[in-house]
Amino acid sequence: NAGVMQNPRHLVRRRGQEARLRCSPMKGHSHVYWYRQLPEEGLKFMVYLQKENIIDESGMPKERFSAEFPKEGPSILRIQQVVRGDSAAYFCASSPSGTLGEKLFFGSGTQLSVL
Amino acid sequence: SQQGEEDPQALSIQEGENATMNCSYKTSINNLQWYRQNSGRGLVHLILIRSNEREKHSGRLRVTLDTSKKSSSLLITASRAADTASYFCATVPTGGGNKLTFGTGTQLKVEL
Repeated sequence: NAGVMQNPRHLVRRRGQEARLRCSPMKGHSHVYWYRQLPEEGLKFMVYLQKENIIDESGMPKERFSAEFPKEGPSILRIQQVVRGDSAAYFCASSPSGTLGEKLFFGSGTQLSVL
Repeated sequence: SQQGEEDPQALSIQEGENATMNCSYKTSINNLQWYRQNSGRGLVHLILIRSNEREKHSGRLRVTLDTSKKSSSLLITASRAADTASYFCATVPTGGGNKLTFGTGTQLKVEL
């Protein structure tokens, strides 16, 4: 069973460019969560999606950030016009049913560096 | 502010010793989970304890939950160098939707 796959593993962007982070959930999982982690800190919730639906985006900045989880293909976290403060590790997690409080399966993350 | 805060922030012990990490949270919860993160990697789920449970075991792990004090502890017995990692507690606050909220973590270093 392949786990949660994230790519790229590392992404370097210059200020003002766009960053696209991809996440393929575990097979059979239809719920995806995105988290951001700054150095020496815990994970901060960004957004929770099901196939074709955004369920909770309360942790995502209103501007420049967007997320989708289409019917086919991976979930995408998109950051437009990146700034240095966007530099962080972005983790995706998936779960099979979205049952309240079920455990999450995490990918290895994408380390975004903004120059 | 963090829903969960771990204590201590960092812990260094010798192989074979026990490691205890504590987590405090602010609101009522449905359950509390502990995760481990190796450097540069994603989080791995360790154990889940429900709000109506007081203690749970899994291998060398023992988790306790005190809902009256809004706190939990994770005990790793007979630690190994491979246990070196950051440990996070995570909660689903009651009425908080389905988003798992993580604490700030304890960095555990187990030395040979």
